[in-house]
Amino acid sequence: ILNVEQSPQSLHVQEGDSTNFTCSFPSSNFYALHWYRWETAKSPEALFVMTLNGDEKKKGRISATLNTKEGYSYLYIKGSQPEDSATYLCAFSSSNTGKLIFGQGTTLQVKP
Amino acid sequence: DGGITQSPKYLFRKEGQNVTLSCEQNLNHDAMYWYRQDPGQGLRLIYYSQIVNDFQKGDIAEGYSVSREKKESFPLTVTSAQKNPTAFYLCASWDGYEQYFGPGTRLTVT
Repeated sequence: ILNVEQSPQSLHVQEGDSTNFTCSFPSSNFYALHWYRWETAKSPEALFVMTLNGDEKKKGRISATLNTKEGYSYLYIKGSQPEDSATYLCAFSSSNTGKLIFGQGTTLQVKP
Repeated sequence: DGGITQSPKYLFRKEGQNVTLSCEQNLNHDAMYWYRQDPGQGLRLIYYSQIVNDFQKGDIAEGYSVSREKKESFPLTVTSAQKNPTAFYLCASWDGYEQYFGPGTRLTVT
């Protein structure tokens, strides 16, 4: 059974702090690694889709890196804001069928 | 407005009853998925369909059934055989690159 692990499970930071989370996934049969942001009472929304080893992607204050050889991805948030409060999900895929295996998520709370 | 709709938002049923959760999309995507979320766990795949009139079991298909008669619709039936049906259910579609999610249905069975 393929397993995707995220750490930490939850995180509380002050506004302005920078933070990062980890996603560990199988290093074999890699096709893509997805990051989603899931705000309370909303639908999960895609942040990044990463396919190449060494890939780095950025969207505003949020960036992600990918290491497919060792099976991990980091998500960084620079200068956290209260609106960054959400659960961040990573998902691994081993094919282009869209079949994703999700981690349990990291819940971030940013205090003003 | 393109997107995925799920209805209802909250659903309550008595044990032993089958219940069908609705999922509709107007994104013209071929592939659709059903996930279940339980506290402290990631999204787990129940069923998926890559094309009309075809679907495959996911990791936790026991006690569930689906149909895919139209491209836009992928309803999920939670049968009385599902031992722990109380959960949050999410539907998604796939554009070949990323998944798009509906708002979810919270099912409570007592």
